[in-house]
Amino acid sequence: RKEVEQDPGPFNVPEGATVAFNCTYSNSASQSFFWYRQDCRKEPKLLMSVYSSGNEDGRFTAQLNRASQYISLLIRDSKLSDSATYLCVVNGLGDMRFGAGTRLTVKP
Amino acid sequence: DTGVSQDPRHKITKRGQNVTFRCDPISEHNRLYWYRQTLGQGPEFLTYFQNEAQLEKSRLLSDRFSAERPKGSFSTLEIQRTEQGDSAMYLCASSDTLEGGSPLHFGNGTRLTVT
Repeated sequence: RKEVEQDPGPFNVPEGATVAFNCTYSNSASQSFFWYRQDCRKEPKLLMSVYSSGNEDGRFTAQLNRASQYISLLIRDSKLSDSATYLCVVNGLGDMRFGAGTRLTVKP
Repeated sequence: DTGVSQDPRHKITKRGQNVTFRCDPISEHNRLYWYRQTLGQGPEFLTYFQNEAQLEKSRLLSDRFSAERPKGSFSTLEIQRTEQGDSAMYLCASSDTLEGGSPLHFGNGTRLTVT
């Protein structure tokens, strides 16, 4: 079993749609969690950290469920510029493991 | 803060040759990570350092791969006797364990092509 697993995607949605991504992890001792965004042929960039109580940054909401060992990312009112690959990252005991990524395409 | 820098940006080599990549992390960051990424996949963890100590190395990493961070600043990743399957983007990232949640900051990567 992979340490971090993500929805395979791809997701193709119209502008203005709400889209959700999930990510599960296997190491119950994992300490911190993040969502990254990666544009084609670019390096990953931090989108947001994921806090235990859940957190929001504008149109983006991240949630953590430690009991079920998953994190989620919700994007509301999606924009064309949200088209990218979204990667979840789980920090075990210092090692930082990535999911395979979910490709999102937002269409006009 | 000049960010994480990697050198070279691109490397083309023939199978069987050795290659070495360099990463300069953000200066105050004590952790440094190496990843490999192929098309359509997420970054695959290779190894990481805290200061000069290599704390973990992926079990998937063959003995042809070695990384160093001799003075706890820059790091090098060497691949010996390259194979075509080594063709990938090699990403370096750094983090500060004092920063909340310690997110990774990535360099632009080194794209390796083995012919």
